Amino acid sequence: AQSVTQLDSQVPVFEEAPVELRCNYSSSVSVYLFWYVQYPNQGLQLLLKYLSGSTLVKGINGFEAEFNKSQTSFHLRKPSVHISDTAEYFCAVSPTDSWGKLQFGAGTQVVVTP
Amino acid sequence: DAGVIQSPRHEVTEMGQEVTLRCKPISGHNSLFWYRQTMMRGLELLIYFNNNVPIDDSGMPEDRFSAKMPNASFSTLKIQPSEPRDSAVYFCASSLNRGQDEQFFGPGTRLTVL
Repeated sequence: AQSVTQLDSQVPVFEEAPVELRCNYSSSVSVYLFWYVQYPNQGLQLLLKYLSGSTLVKGINGFEAEFNKSQTSFHLRKPSVHISDTAEYFCAVSPTDSWGKLQFGAGTQVVVTP
Repeated sequence: DAGVIQSPRHEVTEMGQEVTLRCKPISGHNSLFWYRQTMMRGLELLIYFNNNVPIDDSGMPEDRFSAKMPNASFSTLKIQPSEPRDSAVYFCASSLNRGQDEQFFGPGTRLTVL
């Protein structure tokens, strides 16, 4: 079984400041790692994913994440946020030998203020 | 492509009534997922179909819930009879086929059971 822990339920941040969202996971098998974003009243949208290879993954909208196997972490970062980045962010894992069953974290609400 | 289409977007019903939620996946996608999102429990996978066949329904909460996928372009999630605790946002998602593939989410159906 897998579990995903998002350490912050809410992160307030000023516009143009950097942001980091923390995600830790536990799994007895190899996993793929994902970050999804949910804007208000919308479905989830993929930001980026780690499958293999380089541990630094770049996604859409200037986001990037780094996979750290020893710390079982997959933290998401953006160097300079915009008001439009206000949303909920979900970290998720999926066993590499599965059909794609995603285990989501509880989500981190990012609120960007001017 | 129009993306994943869900209907209705909002549904308000009374306890005991039957509710049917509908989903049209992205053309060419072989996997379809139904999720439920609540404040208390977050995002939960209810059921997963591959090539129109239910593969994993371990997340379906009770016998009151049922899902079908009669063809590659249509799926339903039915609740009969509905209860107030079923109030949630229900998402449908589809993906190409494999575990590493992105899941594309629909806009969701917000269900309120009075």
